[in-house]
Amino acid sequence: EVQLVESGGGLIQPGGSLRLSCAASGFTVSSNYMSWVRQAPGKGLEWVSVIYSGGSTYYADSVKGRFTISRDNSKNTLYLQMNSLRAEDTAVYYCARTSGAFDIWGQGTMVTVSS
Amino acid sequence: DIQMTQSPSSLSASVGDRVTITCQASQDISNYLNWYQQKPGKAPKLLIYDASNLETGVPSRFSGSGSGTDFTFTISSLQPEDIATYYCQQYDNLPLYTFGQGTKLEIK
Repeated sequence: EVQLVESGGGLIQPGGSLRLSCAASGFTVSSNYMSWVRQAPGKGLEWVSVIYSGGSTYYADSVKGRFTISRDNSKNTLYLQMNSLRAEDTAVYYCARTSGAFDIWGQGTMVTVSS
Repeated sequence: DIQMTQSPSSLSASVGDRVTITCQASQDISNYLNWYQQKPGKAPKLLIYDASNLETGVPSRFSGSGSGTDFTFTISSLQPEDIATYYCQQYDNLPLYTFGQGTKLEIK
């Protein structure tokens, strides 16, 4: 079964760091484009970052310089390292397999940035 | 950056009604437009890709059309399980992806 399972969310103070994980099954992360998409409470969807199969990475302006997307091919897992977290980063974070469309989504992991 | 404007932002309809949601791009995006359904507390689900192609397993009452800057998403006969928020998303401006602000669909 094709599946994505996120983990690593939680409550973190402003300025702190957190690493999200997204374990894939049923397909190979490194052979696909993979993205992180977030959704603040009661708000719409916001694309955060993508990693291409060739390894190139791209970010939304709102997270550029603070977030880093990566993958571990041996573990078939995608990561999002989030540094210098702000209150406005509070959201459910989804990982998704990406072509032009986001066709496979994880269940999401909640990140709350608050003192 | 390409902006996506969905309308309406909310919609109330009766079971069996034909429902239409529009999405307008700030510039020509050809057919690089997808539609998603998101139910409360759940991840989004891809329904339509490349403006008019039905994702495998999605009921045929869902359809999409359009190209360039103007796109339409239609439910031909609304069912109770279709209550959700619907989003359009463009990918003409890779590697940047943009979603519309969403349309919340409720039963009248």
